[in-house]
Amino acid sequence: GQNIDQPTEMTATEGAIVQINCTYQTSGFNGLFWYQQHAGEAPTFLSYNVLDGLEEKGRFSSFLSRSKGYSYLLLKELQMKDSASYLCAVRDKAAGNKLTFGGGTRVLVKP
Amino acid sequence: DVKVTQSSRYLVKRTGEKVFLECVQDMDHENMFWYRQDPGLGLRLIYFSYDVKMKEKGDIPEGYSVSREKKERFSLILESASTNQTSMYLCASSPPGPLIDEQFFGPGTRLTVL
Repeated sequence: GQNIDQPTEMTATEGAIVQINCTYQTSGFNGLFWYQQHAGEAPTFLSYNVLDGLEEKGRFSSFLSRSKGYSYLLLKELQMKDSASYLCAVRDKAAGNKLTFGGGTRVLVKP
Repeated sequence: DVKVTQSSRYLVKRTGEKVFLECVQDMDHENMFWYRQDPGLGLRLIYFSYDVKMKEKGDIPEGYSVSREKKERFSLILESASTNQTSMYLCASSPPGPLIDEQFFGPGTRLTVL
């Protein structure tokens, strides 16, 4: 089975940086995804990590440490439109390479 | 751009009714998925399909069935709706291949069972 943990909610100020952590336990790790979901909308793909290290995409970066079963999503220069839920999902070979999602982290950006 | 559409944004049904949720994608994707999303529980996989007429159970298939008669269409069926099936239902698709890659989601159907 898999266990994916991420904080339920975080609050940050416009212009600041927020780091959303995701820890996982899986028997056949084969990639980790981050999705963004605005309230009432579909999740949209943000990033993908399969090797250790940092992947940067503009204001968003995602880090992976496979030995620690740990990832984080870093949001820099926060904007009001970044208020959303952020979903961590793990792909597991032992589960037929399906994705298993964490509960999501709701980020509220305040002025 | 990939487009995944779902037949309804909001649906209200009564206990015991048979409910059909339709999903259509326009990018010729082989893989299609049905999830439900509940507060604090995240997205949970109900069923998925790798090809036409093919289906696999996900993590919570009980009370649901699916149909994939055409490549672009994946239907979720609640044979006899119950109140604990009140939820947000999300359909997704992804390109073919041995790995489940980036998934493209539909806008969701919020189903209320009274």
